[in-house]
Amino acid sequence: DQQVKQNSPSLSVQEGRISILNCDYTNSMFDYFLWYKKYPAEGPTFLISISSIKDKNEDGRFTVFLNKSAKHLSLHIVPSQPGDSAVYFCAANALNDYKLSFGAGTTVTVRA
Amino acid sequence: DAGVIQSPRHEVTEMGQEVTLRCKPISGHNSLFWYRQTMMRGLELLIYFNNNVPIDDSGMPEDRFSAKMPNASFSTLKIQPSEPRDSAVYFCASSHNTGELFFGEGSRLTVL
Repeated sequence: DQQVKQNSPSLSVQEGRISILNCDYTNSMFDYFLWYKKYPAEGPTFLISISSIKDKNEDGRFTVFLNKSAKHLSLHIVPSQPGDSAVYFCAANALNDYKLSFGAGTTVTVRA
Repeated sequence: DAGVIQSPRHEVTEMGQEVTLRCKPISGHNSLFWYRQTMMRGLELLIYFNNNVPIDDSGMPEDRFSAKMPNASFSTLKIQPSEPRDSAVYFCASSHNTGELFFGEGSRLTVL
């Protein structure tokens, strides 16, 4: 059973608009959440994270929101740029646990 | 500094053949992970090594899969015999303890 789910396999957005990527999780022990970004023919790279003691973390154009009661998090990219076109993976683990559980990924395409 | 280095980048083989994927982690990292990426399941953890010792191999799909880490700078993932359903991208990643994961560029395996 996948403990981290990204139900939207793809997202298309116009340059300059907001991209919203969603992620749901089932394991209530998870308390650290991450987003990874992956370009074709490259490995995933860390983008942004949030711990369960927060409900929002912002880094430039990227903001992650966490709703613990709903076991839901989202990544907002604003404004979206063509270079943001990539696959985005949501991941989660329990604090200090080595095992990251990943979602299936959402492919974002930013149209010029 | 070099990142995680994987080889080969691409492998095409016939069903029944042995496949060996190789990984050199980042120097100084003591945790090494093998992940498999498929369209349906995203990134799945196959096996985790800490200080060259396999800690968790519960993600290894079958006895056909085996992994070794003979020293801190080298790991292999072997599939014998390979089957078409093993076709995927295999990623190696390393970290210092439970810190940020750094991924290699992946090995794309196609089994005909």
